[in-house]
Amino acid sequence: DQQVKQNSPSLSVQEGRISILNCDYTNSMFDYFLWYKKYPAEGPTFLISISSIKDKNEDGRFTVFLNKSAKHLSLHIVPSQPGDSAVYFCAASSHDYKLSFGAGTTVTVRA
Amino acid sequence: DADVTQTPRNRITKTGKRIMLECSQTKGHDRMYWYRQDPGLGLRLIYYSFDVKDINKGEISDGYSVSRQAQAKFSLSLESAIPNQTALYFCATSDNRQGALADTQYFGPGTRLTVL
Repeated sequence: DQQVKQNSPSLSVQEGRISILNCDYTNSMFDYFLWYKKYPAEGPTFLISISSIKDKNEDGRFTVFLNKSAKHLSLHIVPSQPGDSAVYFCAASSHDYKLSFGAGTTVTVRA
Repeated sequence: DADVTQTPRNRITKTGKRIMLECSQTKGHDRMYWYRQDPGLGLRLIYYSFDVKDINKGEISDGYSVSRQAQAKFSLSLESAIPNQTALYFCATSDNRQGALADTQYFGPGTRLTVL
């Protein structure tokens, strides 16, 4: 059973608008969450992370929000740019140095 | 130069053949991992190693074996390949010296394996 779920396989957004990617988890032991970005023919690259002691972390155009009571996190990309078109994976850890990944959301940014 | 490299990048083989995928890293990290990616399933952990003498099974280790030849090298073997092992395979590393960021993993470019 997948412990990390990304229920939207794809998202299409217009350039300049906000992209919101969602992720839900079931394991209450998870306390560190990451987002990875993946282009075709490349490996996933680390984008942003958040510890369970925070509810928000921001890095430039990327912000991750964590709602522990709902076991939900989201990634906001503002403004979206064509180079943001990629697959985004949500991942979680219980600090055992292993990651559980969601199935990914493919983002397409339209010009 | 890439910090985590994988060879080969693409491989087509036949059912029953033995295949080895290799991973090398120059990041100086102690922890290394092998994942496979399948459409709709994300990345699933096959094996991981926290140092040269440490090997651990992940969630889908059946049909696979690994060898940690040195801190910088971690190989994945398919002893007798079968078609449902057709997938993208990724190697990753993480740094035990990072403290709170110790769970962040860094990935290689992947190997696309096709088993006919």
